[in-house]
Amino acid sequence: RKEVEQDPGPFNVPEGATVAFNCTYSNSASQSFFWYRQDCRKEPKLLMSVYSSGNEDGRFTAQLNRASQYISLLIRDSKLSDSATYLCAPSGSARQLTFGSGTQLTVLP
Amino acid sequence: NAGVTQTPKFQVLKTGQSMTLQCAQDMNHNSMYWYRQDPGMGLRLIYYSASEGTTDKGEVPNGYNVSRLNKREFSLRLESAAPSQTSVYFCASSALTGIQNQPQHFGDGTRLSIL
Repeated sequence: RKEVEQDPGPFNVPEGATVAFNCTYSNSASQSFFWYRQDCRKEPKLLMSVYSSGNEDGRFTAQLNRASQYISLLIRDSKLSDSATYLCAPSGSARQLTFGSGTQLTVLP
Repeated sequence: NAGVTQTPKFQVLKTGQSMTLQCAQDMNHNSMYWYRQDPGMGLRLIYYSASEGTTDKGEVPNGYNVSRLNKREFSLRLESAAPSQTSVYFCASSALTGIQNQPQHFGDGTRLSIL
């Protein structure tokens, strides 16, 4: 099993829709979790950090399920500007720093 | 704020040539990272530095060396470039350390082609 697994998508949703991505992880010792967005040919940018059960920032909600070892990202009222690849990453010591391969989202007009 | 600055942004090398990718951050972060990103492979950690003078191997360290001479700068060196090292390289930094570790800020990336 990969250390971090994400559905690559693509997810194509209409503007205004709600969309959710899951990310499963194998390292049960991870204490915190991170979602990043990456636009085409750009650097990743930190979107949200999750340290307990969840976190909410405007239209974005991240939830953590430690028992099942997955984190989710929910985007409400999708905007065209939300089109990007979303990467998840659990925290860890140096050799455990792993990113998922990302989920591609396209918001359609 | 400059954040994380990488140089160069683009580079073409011939097989066997050497070069150093430079990275500097102005946020007084302890943790710094070098990643490579290949199509379909996601971000893979090459080396990590928790503080000045310390470095740790990541997932794909072979063929690379790093140097963390001070808190600001973390350089990545390819001693003898190989076509398999063609990739986009990202430097990153973070105020997080230990088991809470993950990068918070990335540089713009270096697009490196080895012919």
